[in-house]
Amino acid sequence: GAGVSQSPRYKVAKRGQDVALRCDPISGHVSLFWYQQALGQGPEFLTYFQNEAQLDKSGLPSDRFFAERPEGSVSTLKIQRTQQEDSAVYLCASSLVGVFVQGLTEAFFGQGTRLTVV
Amino acid sequence: AQKITQTQPGMFVQEKEAVTLDCTYDTSDQSYGLFWYKQPSSGEMIFLIYQGSYDEQNATEGRYSLNFQKARKSANLVISASQLGDSAMYFCAMSVNTGFQKLVFGTGTRLLVSP
Repeated sequence: GAGVSQSPRYKVAKRGQDVALRCDPISGHVSLFWYQQALGQGPEFLTYFQNEAQLDKSGLPSDRFFAERPEGSVSTLKIQRTQQEDSAVYLCASSLVGVFVQGLTEAFFGQGTRLTVV
Repeated sequence: AQKITQTQPGMFVQEKEAVTLDCTYDTSDQSYGLFWYKQPSSGEMIFLIYQGSYDEQNATEGRYSLNFQKARKSANLVISASQLGDSAMYFCAMSVNTGFQKLVFGTGTRLLVSP
């Protein structure tokens, strides 16, 4: 497809279950970001990949969160032993360039995965 | 640390009128970018407009314009001739130069356009 695709769109998990959220970025995009958006809040940065390299994971809230992008395209965000506070929308974004430049580097977002932990 | 502040939780406007959504930011960086995104109920973040910190002219994109006042650290979004389809959440964001372009978002403003 032409845009960023995320699956599943909705996920309900029982507390303690592991979940895996998938992101298919736009083909050829070097940068891939994961953001977490709690209800009523703006998105918050989780982690960043440049191709297959995870260059920043400072936003991951705990060691239960793990992300990978093994071949530099599709990425998976895994949450182990889910807790109620993990309930949020998880947004993936991709952009063409890999480094900061002065000028527009538009990040294209997917529709997100809404995770509800019960 | 970089921070975006959006003080209007909700705004109402009548169709065909103009509306201004407020955004102030805080950063010690000299080089940064300011973005506005629209998030409809379907969930995706739709890019609207961008302003670079070194751009001297205010950015415009169709009905959207960004009122950039660098000394005041404000980047307000102006939507002219509002349409019913403009009803959505609007987020102001700033790119943070950490070697790559990470976005810091505000808490958003919900805009409702009435007929």
